[in-house]
Amino acid sequence: DQQVKQNSPSLSVQEGRISILNCDYTNSMFDYFLWYKKYPAEGPTFLISISSIKDKNEDGRFTVFLNKSAKHLSLHIVPSQPGDSAVYFCAAKETSGSRLTFGEGTQLTVNP
Amino acid sequence: NAGVTQTPKFRILKIGQSMTLQCAQDMNHNYMYWYRQDPGMGLKLIYYSVGAGITDKGEVPNGYNVSRSTTEDFPLRLELAAPSQTSVYFCASSYQVHGELFFGEGSRLTVL
Repeated sequence: DQQVKQNSPSLSVQEGRISILNCDYTNSMFDYFLWYKKYPAEGPTFLISISSIKDKNEDGRFTVFLNKSAKHLSLHIVPSQPGDSAVYFCAAKETSGSRLTFGEGTQLTVNP
Repeated sequence: NAGVTQTPKFRILKIGQSMTLQCAQDMNHNYMYWYRQDPGMGLKLIYYSVGAGITDKGEVPNGYNVSRSTTEDFPLRLELAAPSQTSVYFCASSYQVHGELFFGEGSRLTVL
């Protein structure tokens, strides 16, 4: 039972354009969502998060949007840079103290 | 400030052998975790600890054991290694339980 799904295993965009990574979830009790970025041979690093009381959170070039009715969140990267090439994982959790559930990851490639 | 340190980075085991993956963090985090990542899959929680002397099972604990004798260290023990345990293992720590995770670089284990 995959409660968090990233349906696109890979995404390729041109430098300077927008990257949109998508994530869907099935558990309506999830109320906190995070994105992690992972480079090869490194551990994931925290990127940005959003609480279910918000529908948008922005941090520099990175914006996360949450659509609770559709159980969908997306990560926008504008403008995309070659250094953004990495695997991006979304993760979700229920109320404070519950475990994180991770999606399968999306490999983003930003071409110069 | 090293963050989360895992050793070894790579290991090949024969079926039935045992080994311990070491994990240490210097951020004084109470919460520590072990995840495994299989190809095309998200991170799955194996075990976690909310403090020295306290551990609990995650999603996929079978075949593993942990201990937490100090705040800094959280070793993962594999007993009777099986090919199904071939994976990349990540140790992580956090300030809040199941909050923003700080990951180590990972340990790639192959069981032949």
